[in-house]
Amino acid sequence: GQNIDQPTEMTATEGAIVQINCTYQTSGFNGLFWYQQHAGEAPTFLSYNVLDGLEEKGRFSSFLSRSKGYSYLLLKELQMKDSASYLCEVGFQKLVFGTGTRLLVSP
Amino acid sequence: ETGVTQSPTHLIKTRGQQVTLRCSSQSGHNTVSWYQQALGQGPQFIFQYYREEENGRGNFPPRFSGLQFPNYSSELNVNALLLGDSALNLCASSPETGMNTEAFFGQGTRLTVV
Repeated sequence: GQNIDQPTEMTATEGAIVQINCTYQTSGFNGLFWYQQHAGEAPTFLSYNVLDGLEEKGRFSSFLSRSKGYSYLLLKELQMKDSASYLCEVGFQKLVFGTGTRLLVSP
Repeated sequence: ETGVTQSPTHLIKTRGQQVTLRCSSQSGHNTVSWYQQALGQGPQFIFQYYREEENGRGNFPPRFSGLQFPNYSSELNVNALLLGDSALNLCASSPETGMNTEAFFGQGTRLTVV
């Protein structure tokens, strides 16, 4: 099967920058998504990468390297409301989510 | 434009029973995907429906089945419920099929099997 690896938990302080990594098996890759999920809520779309490089959207950016099977989500100017789980999802023949990275932003 | 809605929001069933969960896709979306999310885990892909036909399936047994209707709404049916089926069941709709389109998630149905 296709394994998606993300760190389980990360902590950061308000105003800081944090990078959440995601690695995956490259065979059959067909695009990568990042979602944000607050506790008890549904995931919401953050970004989509299918080509190598950086996609920037406000405080959030996502990077992809297809040859390395690697992506990261970069969150700048962290706010308390950014405390959530961040899910990396990869499209192969089917859609596969990582287990998510729980980010805790402290004052 | 209405979002993705799921019903019921919560459900308690007994082991061995059958359950049907419902999902109304976002207006203009013809593809619905179902996921199961256990506590503290990422969502697990169950299957996807495109224009009333199954279009991809994850590693779930046949007792997980689905339907998509002409209006693109969908049902997830689970037979012979097990305690391990307790989870948040998420439905997501997207404007087209394939594995490279953004999905919009409903709030989910929290199923508890006792």
